[in-house]
Amino acid sequence: NAGVTQTPKFQVLKTGQSMTLQCAQDMNHEYMSWYRQDPGMGLRLIHYSVGAGITDQGEVPNGYNVSRSTTEDFPLRLLSAAPSQTSVYFCASSYSGTSGVGEQYFGPGTRLTVT
Amino acid sequence: GENVEQHPSTLSVQEGDSAVIKCTYSDSASNYFPWYKQELGKGPQLIIDIRSNVGEKKDQRIAVTLNKTAKHFSLHITETQPEDSAVYFCAASKGGFKTIFGAGTRLFVKA
Repeated sequence: NAGVTQTPKFQVLKTGQSMTLQCAQDMNHEYMSWYRQDPGMGLRLIHYSVGAGITDQGEVPNGYNVSRSTTEDFPLRLLSAAPSQTSVYFCASSYSGTSGVGEQYFGPGTRLTVT
Repeated sequence: GENVEQHPSTLSVQEGDSAVIKCTYSDSASNYFPWYKQELGKGPQLIIDIRSNVGEKKDQRIAVTLNKTAKHFSLHITETQPEDSAVYFCAASKGGFKTIFGAGTRLFVKA
């Protein structure tokens, strides 16, 4: 199993550009989520999904869109990049059972710089 | 919404000593409390978790305690080793959904 994969590893954007951060998992996990990590602020939840076709907002959803057309993929779209979106982005997935969601498996991250 | 506070932000210990990291949460309905370790340049990795029907859980040198009344939970690492040096995050959620993380603790273990 490759686990959770993210592409690209690094990206530089100009203000106003759009792009999609890719995330895929091969563990057949129902639950997937996107976080951003900024110094001194831990990980903040952007969007999450409990299954194909179902998404919901996290703590900091503004400026980001997601969709979940398959169990495996959960792309994050930046519609019009802003310098405030400079961050490291992590995708995670988890099995969802009768007692809820358990351990989240994180990808290696995408380091995004917006100039 | 849920808020998780984590202390200290930096912790330095001598090899072999114990390390304790403390977190408080705001939402009394939270029932799942994982701890993650993040090494430089990598994604976080779960090291231990606890659910609200349990007060304490131990896994070798790592233990977590939960006080539901005080809305407080702690990570204890005994006999610390240099490879324990990393950033540790606590988190809280209801059933694992919409997990909210603390700001992190950078642990240094001096050999």
